[in-house]
Parts: sequence; structure tokens; C-alpha cells
Amino acid sequence: QVQLKESGPGLVAPSQSLSITCTVSGFSLTTYGVHWVRQPPGKGLEWLVVIWSDGSTTYNSALKSRLSISKDNSKSQVFLKMNSLQTDDTAMYYCARNSVYGRSMDYWGQGTSVTISS
Amino acid sequence: DIQMTQTTSSLSASLGDKVTISCSASQGISNYLNWYQQKPDGTVKLLIYYTSSLHSGVPSRFSGSGSGTDYSLTISNLEPEDIATYYCQQYSNLPWTFGGGTKLEIK
Repeated sequence: QVQLKESGPGLVAPSQSLSITCTVSGFSLTTYGVHWVRQPPGKGLEWLVVIWSDGSTTYNSALKSRLSISKDNSKSQVFLKMNSLQTDDTAMYYCARNSVYGRSMDYWGQGTSVTISS
Repeated sequence: DIQMTQTTSSLSASLGDKVTISCSASQGISNYLNWYQQKPDGTVKLLIYYTSSLHSGVPSRFSGSGSGTDYSLTISNLEPEDIATYYCQQYSNLPWTFGGGTKLEIK
């Protein structure tokens, strides 16, 4: 079955960088795109970026200067890197598969919690 | 950016009720609208895509409708497992944006 699982450092110091990995199973990254979405504590969802099956990317322009997404198809992994972290980057970070039915996110991971604190 | 507004942040209803959750876009989004369910444990699931298409495995008591700037999610015959927060999301324009969420509770 389709599964996505995020893994990350948990705690990151301000001004440092964050690297999160999404490991997928049950589908191929050469066929489906993968999004990153985050959710600050007690707040709503914010779309960050997507990497498409062909490796092209689409970023949220508000965060583009601090974000980088890449993937390793052979390892079924998608990587998110975010620079210059601030306390308001504290959030649950989710990866989600892009549906074949257009621009919807049909399966989501459980999320990985990231806290920015010294 | 297109702003998605869910004016009702929380809603209380009884089991068996019909519930409607509304979502409004700051400009027309041509039916490019999805609905998601987030359970209290954080699990997120796609319910409806392209305004009214039911995602695989989603119970038929969920339905979506709307056009232009105004959209809604309806849950007929509310069940205990429907306790969750519901988010709309537009994909008409970048960046794709979500509504603030409507938390559904049992009365």
C-alpha cells in the first residue's frame, strides 16, 4: 500500500539549516510527484514545494529563497532542506503524494515535528 | 496569493446530523478545490478533489459542491469517526493555499 514517512532532526538551533527526508513505498517517484506541507502548532496548513516525477520543481515563492527539494528515485526518497531557520519555522512537516487526478495530495505521511530553539 | 476563508472555525453537531462546511476564495478558482480531513492525531486524508470528486475509499456520506468563489463540503449522517478538522485547498493559482480549517465536534 501507499506509504510516506518523514524523518527529521526534531530540534534545530535558530539560523541553522534543516534537512528532512520523506521515504515512500507502494509507488514510484518516477511516476508521482511529492509535496511538502507544514503546520505550525495550533495553526493551519501551508504548502511549501513539490517535486514532480520528472524532477522539476515548483516552490512557494514566499519561501523559495530558503528551500531546496531533491530526490533519489532509486532509494524512493525525497529531501527537503530549509536554511536560515527562525522560531516561526517550528512546525509539523508533512510530505504528501500528488494525485494522478490533478493537483491534489492523495496520501500523506504522519509528519515529523521540528522545533527551532536554542 | 489567493486567500481561502473558512468562516466557521468550529462546529458542533449531533450524530446522524447533516453538516455543511463552507469555504470561500478571494477570487474565482474554477472548481480547483480540494477538501482534506485532519484527525486529532494529526493524520491527514484527502476527501474530495476538483470540488466534487470523491477520493478512493472515502465514504459516500461525504460530498462537495460549489463554483466560482464559494464551495462547501457536506457530511450526511454524521458518525463518530468524522470528528476532525476539515481544510479546503485551492490549486488554481500558485502558491496553493489552504483555508484556516473548520473543527467539527460532536454535540
